[in-house]
Amino acid sequence: NAGVTQTPKFRILKIGQSMTLQCAQDMNHNYMYWYRQDPGMGLKLIYYSVGAGITDKGEVPNGYNVSRSTTEDFPLRLELAAPSQTSVYFCASSYSWGSSYNEQFFGPGTRLTVL
Amino acid sequence: AQTVTQSQPEMSVQEAETVTLSCTYDTSENNYYLFWYKQPPSRQMILVIRQEAYKQQNATENRFSVNFQKAAKSFSLKISDSQLGDTAMYFCAFMTALQGAQKLVFGQGTRLTINP
Repeated sequence: NAGVTQTPKFRILKIGQSMTLQCAQDMNHNYMYWYRQDPGMGLKLIYYSVGAGITDKGEVPNGYNVSRSTTEDFPLRLELAAPSQTSVYFCASSYSWGSSYNEQFFGPGTRLTVL
Repeated sequence: AQTVTQSQPEMSVQEAETVTLSCTYDTSENNYYLFWYKQPPSRQMILVIRQEAYKQQNATENRFSVNFQKAAKSFSLKISDSQLGDTAMYFCAFMTALQGAQKLVFGQGTRLTINP
């Protein structure tokens, strides 16, 4: 299994540009998440999905959009990039059923710089 | 809303020493999970140890152990016989045990350096 994969690894955007960060997992996990990590800080949840076709906002959703058309993929869309979106973006996935806990597996991250 | 606070931005110890990282959290819930994650320079998030709030016994994973004080809402990580490979950022994290809400809330992190 490749686990959680993210593309690209690095990207530089100009203010106002748009892009999509790709995330895929091959573990048949139903839950997927997007986090951002600002320099010197912990991760903050942007959006999450509990299954194909179902998404919900996390702590910091403004400026982002997501979709989940398949179990495997969970792309994150940035519209009108701003310098405040300069961050490292992590995708994660887990298999969750009821209230039982299952480990979240993280991708390697995408470092995004908006200039 | 839950919050997680790590009051030590940086720590530094000599190899083979024992080091303790502090974490406090705030929640009104009774059932939840607590975690310590390690983030080395590679940026990969690695789960170190987890604790279920309903368990009184402190979790242990090899050289890593926690001191979970539920009433005080404190969750510290002890690393024994520290190794150079333990150098990393360490994040404390909280997750509610409510059904369907598997969201992690992270602290600000502690940068740990192990010196030879």
